[in-house]
Amino acid sequence: DTAVSQTPKYLVTQMGNDKSIKCEQNLGHDTMYWYKQDSKKFLKIMFSYNNKELIINETVPNRFSPKSPDKAHLNLHINSLELGDSAVYFCASSQSVWYTEAFFGQGTRLTVV
Amino acid sequence: KNEVEQSPQNLTAQEGEFITINCSYSVGISALHWLQQHPGGGIVSLFMLSSGKKKHGRLIATINIQEKHSSLHITASHPRDSAVYICAVRGQGAQKLVFGQGTRLTINP
Repeated sequence: DTAVSQTPKYLVTQMGNDKSIKCEQNLGHDTMYWYKQDSKKFLKIMFSYNNKELIINETVPNRFSPKSPDKAHLNLHINSLELGDSAVYFCASSQSVWYTEAFFGQGTRLTVV
Repeated sequence: KNEVEQSPQNLTAQEGEFITINCSYSVGISALHWLQQHPGGGIVSLFMLSSGKKKHGRLIATINIQEKHSSLHITASHPRDSAVYICAVRGQGAQKLVFGQGTRLTINP
């Protein structure tokens, strides 16, 4: 029973398209995150939500819009995709905003062509 | 310069060797995490520590708060330990993790 699951695992799309990545956690955690991992494997936080409220927005282009319908879900919608958006996107959750142990999803590899 | 620096960036060793990966950081922290990213891409949390030392199986993590330094040790390394190991810190009062660039470990049989 997967703790943090994100779909799809792979996403190949053309420039200019709009796409969404979904994330769900069944751990009962209050806090969820989106991270971007670039080609050099460097992880960087994009967004954090605590109980459906946005608490961290790390100067991400406004083409990226997170949506948290409830505290178990945090989806990422990306408009007008660009080549530079190609990366692996990880969803994660933790019990609280003060960063107890983090649990990661398996990642979504986005390739923009 | 990144707030979190890991060394080495790449490490290749023979099965059975004792492995050390280092992490230095430049800010006061409330916690440091060690993560493992398998070749398949998934990320697993190995340790979260704020002082002293933690051990889990063949893995040992230590932290020296005064020196702003942590080490991850693997005893009796095995090819299945091959992965990228990532250090991350949460600054005091901060709500986010800052990550090191990762150390790619390859253990040859």
